[in-house]
Amino acid sequence: NSKVIQTPRYLVKGQGQKAKMRCIPEKGHPVVFWYQQNKNNEFKFLINFQNQEVLQQIDMTEKRFSAECPSNSPCSLEIQSSEAGDSALYLCASSLDWGDEQYFGPGTRLTVL
Amino acid sequence: AQSVTQPDARVTVSEGASLQLRCKYSYSATPYLFWYVQYPRQGLQMLLKYYSGDPVVQGVNGFEAEFSKSDSSFHLRKASVHWSDSAVYFCAVSAKGTGSKLSFGKGAKLTVSP
Repeated sequence: NSKVIQTPRYLVKGQGQKAKMRCIPEKGHPVVFWYQQNKNNEFKFLINFQNQEVLQQIDMTEKRFSAECPSNSPCSLEIQSSEAGDSALYLCASSLDWGDEQYFGPGTRLTVL
Repeated sequence: AQSVTQPDARVTVSEGASLQLRCKYSYSATPYLFWYVQYPRQGLQMLLKYYSGDPVVQGVNGFEAEFSKSDSSFHLRKASVHWSDSAVYFCAVSAKGTGSKLSFGKGAKLTVSP
């Protein structure tokens, strides 16, 4: 069973507000991913890290989204100015190496009113 | 670019019946293939994975899947389903190497009827 911890489980924000969610990857996993799952079960990759370094991020992430994975602290994903279209389940996953099985947390469900 | 197609969005089977969930992928190189399950209000749990070798892989809870390179498929099977198998099942593909991320199908919602 996955031991990836995500907080909070639910997050409600108004449009234009900041939304921040956190993830503690499995112990010893240097690779971390963030995905967005919408209500139609479409997944969108947002960003990935190896140790504390960003490897890849999509354009959307580069503009309003910011993420970090500091050493000895939870990883975080922050939306600077929430939009209605950001309402989704945000999933954090970690793995031992690239291409390995990814272990997922329960997700943070963001609702933007 | 890699993509995954799950043609059956909703599947209903009777408890004790056999199950097959279909998955077709499109990828230029040798893919890493996965099946994940998502229960309500939970994250994704991996059922099984295929990297290479024997095309039939065994997973948890009696699930198995068969990789076919010629057909670009990775179908999931179970001989006898239980009501607790009701969930959404996702097929996913990734590549080997730095930066590899999962590409998911749109899922198949399985309902097991009594």
